[in-house]
Amino acid sequence: KAGVTQTPRYLIKTRGQQVTLSCSPISGHRSVSWYQQTPGQGLQFLFEYFSETQRNKGNFPGRFSGRQFSNSRSEMNVSTLELGDSALYLCASSQKTAGGDNEQFFGPGTRLTVL
Amino acid sequence: GQQLNQSPQSMFIQEGEDVSMNCTSSSIFNTWLWYKQDPGEGPVLLIALYKAGELTSNGRLTAQFGITRKDSFLNISASIPSDVGIYFCAGRQIQGAQKLVFGQGTRLTINP
Repeated sequence: KAGVTQTPRYLIKTRGQQVTLSCSPISGHRSVSWYQQTPGQGLQFLFEYFSETQRNKGNFPGRFSGRQFSNSRSEMNVSTLELGDSALYLCASSQKTAGGDNEQFFGPGTRLTVL
Repeated sequence: GQQLNQSPQSMFIQEGEDVSMNCTSSSIFNTWLWYKQDPGEGPVLLIALYKAGELTSNGRLTAQFGITRKDSFLNISASIPSDVGIYFCAGRQIQGAQKLVFGQGTRLTINP
């Protein structure tokens, strides 16, 4: 079974631009979560999508948004990029069956650099 | 954002030595997880713990869910070069929720 895939793997943008990152979960997984990883703040939860609906959101500004499609693929968007948005953005998928603690499998991440 | 207190931040050991790291929190967690991250990759799940007091092994790795539900430790026995990497603890406060809170990581370096 293929793992979680993220595209692109590397991205360079300038301040003020916007960016869209893509995540394809493991086949059969319906929950997709996004995390931001930086040296200073570590791994921080951004949001989770399940059945095309945002189920949970971390403490990030409204510039960070996401969506999920009917095939469970997910995208996250960051508008008006700031230097501090430079980070590794990780996507994780899980089966999330009812009543279960289904664990998350992470993709390799997208390394975003904002200049 | 909220984070778990993970220590030590880094470890430099000789091949064959045992390793121990731990995570603590002021809040109760229902699930404790341990991940390993290699350069250029996402975290890989090593061990998941779901009950207070639970002790679980995965090969040379052993982890425990603290009785108070506010801490967990990970031990690695007889370290080998491929154990090099960054180890993260993570906790889940709400059962069934996907949001994980992570520790800052322990960077493990092994001298052959």
